[in-house]
Amino acid sequence: GAGVSQSPSNKVTEKGKDVELRCDPISGHTALYWYRQSLGQGLEFLIYFQGNSAPDKSGLPSDRFSAERTGGSVSTLTIQRTQQEDSAVYLCASSLMGGGAVDEQFFGPGTRLTVL
Amino acid sequence: AQKITQTQPGMFVQEKEAVTLDCTYDTSDQSYGLFWYKQPSSGEMIFLIYQGSYDEQNATEGRYSLNFQKARKSANLVISASQLGDSAMYFCAMREAQTGANNLFFGTGTRLTVIP
Repeated sequence: GAGVSQSPSNKVTEKGKDVELRCDPISGHTALYWYRQSLGQGLEFLIYFQGNSAPDKSGLPSDRFSAERTGGSVSTLTIQRTQQEDSAVYLCASSLMGGGAVDEQFFGPGTRLTVL
Repeated sequence: AQKITQTQPGMFVQEKEAVTLDCTYDTSDQSYGLFWYKQPSSGEMIFLIYQGSYDEQNATEGRYSLNFQKARKSANLVISASQLGDSAMYFCAMREAQTGANNLFFGTGTRLTVIP
């Protein structure tokens, strides 16, 4: 079946512009996660959606970052007034239950964001 | 304090030999899960193996095994019979079940290079 998809695969923008990154999770997965991977680093948690519950926004680095998930499926991560330090690969993941024993997270291919 | 520590930025192994990638973790939760992911140069995150904190036996998945030493808070990944295709970044991650947070905490990764 189809995996997690993300678009665009690459995004180059100018400092100060807003960007939107899209994630399509695996059908039927109730949990959706956004992570950020800076060059040569591990993944940094940003935000987590589980069903209709309020999202866990504890990882968002500033109020310039926001995300929404419409209809419990597609999610959009928005970065306003982008800064050069926002340059990174943004990875989306989904899982079936959002917790439990293994509840493997399946990752998308990521969006590489470059802020000039 | 870092929740996941991977002290080996890079490792080399001869093809067909075994290699151990180190991971230590820090948590006060009694219930948690430990994961290993592989990230090839193409960028996707591939789930390899999972160990639950209450699992008494070390997890194994094909050529991958997890050397879980709970008292030492270590969860080292052992890859047996290395193959050229094993060259990639390897990330150790943890989910703390008791806190209710479902996101994964990642280490900074180990770059494994398999030498022919």
